Amino acid sequence: DQQVKQNSPSLSVQEGRISILNCDYTNSMFDYFLWYKKYPAEGPTFLISISSIKDKNEDGRFTVFLNKSAKHLSLHIVPSQPGDSAVYFCAAKEVNFGNEKLTFGTGTRLTIIP
Amino acid sequence: DVKVTQSSRYLVKRTGEKVFLECVQDMDHENMFWYRQDPGLGLRLIYFSYDVKMKEKGDIPEGYSVSREKKERFSLILESASTNQTSMYLCASRGGGSTGELFFGEGSRLTVL
Repeated sequence: DQQVKQNSPSLSVQEGRISILNCDYTNSMFDYFLWYKKYPAEGPTFLISISSIKDKNEDGRFTVFLNKSAKHLSLHIVPSQPGDSAVYFCAAKEVNFGNEKLTFGTGTRLTIIP
Repeated sequence: DVKVTQSSRYLVKRTGEKVFLECVQDMDHENMFWYRQDPGLGLRLIYFSYDVKMKEKGDIPEGYSVSREKKERFSLILESASTNQTSMYLCASRGGGSTGELFFGEGSRLTVL
């Protein structure tokens, strides 16, 4: 049962344009969402997060949008740069006290075309 | 900067061998995690630990065990390796009370022949 889904395994975007990565979830107990970026042969690194009490969080070129009613979040990268080519994972955390685990999606491989 | 160090980047083992994957973090984090990453399946949680000598099963604990004798060290053990355990293994840590950001190691690529 995949509670966090990234339905696009891959995405190609021209350098300078906007990259939009999508993520859907099914568990209404998730209250915190994160995006991670992973280069080959490296561990994932934290990119940006959003609490369920917000609908938008921005950090430089990266913006995450959350639509709770649709159980959908998206990551926007503007403008896209070649160094953004990586696999992006969305992740979600439940509100339950003491539950420390993150549930990850399957990942989207983003390729930025120069 | 938080540093999570995994002892081996690449391992090749034979079916039936016992395998130890070691992970050490230097930020005095309470919580430590073992994930595996497989194509098309994302990151799946194997085990996690929120304190010394404490452990909790994740989503796919079968065939694995863990050990946390010291706060900074979290070991993943494959008692009898099988070919379906060929994967990238990722260790992560997080401080208590954090909202969720995990710090990952570089990963250990295990091949079981």
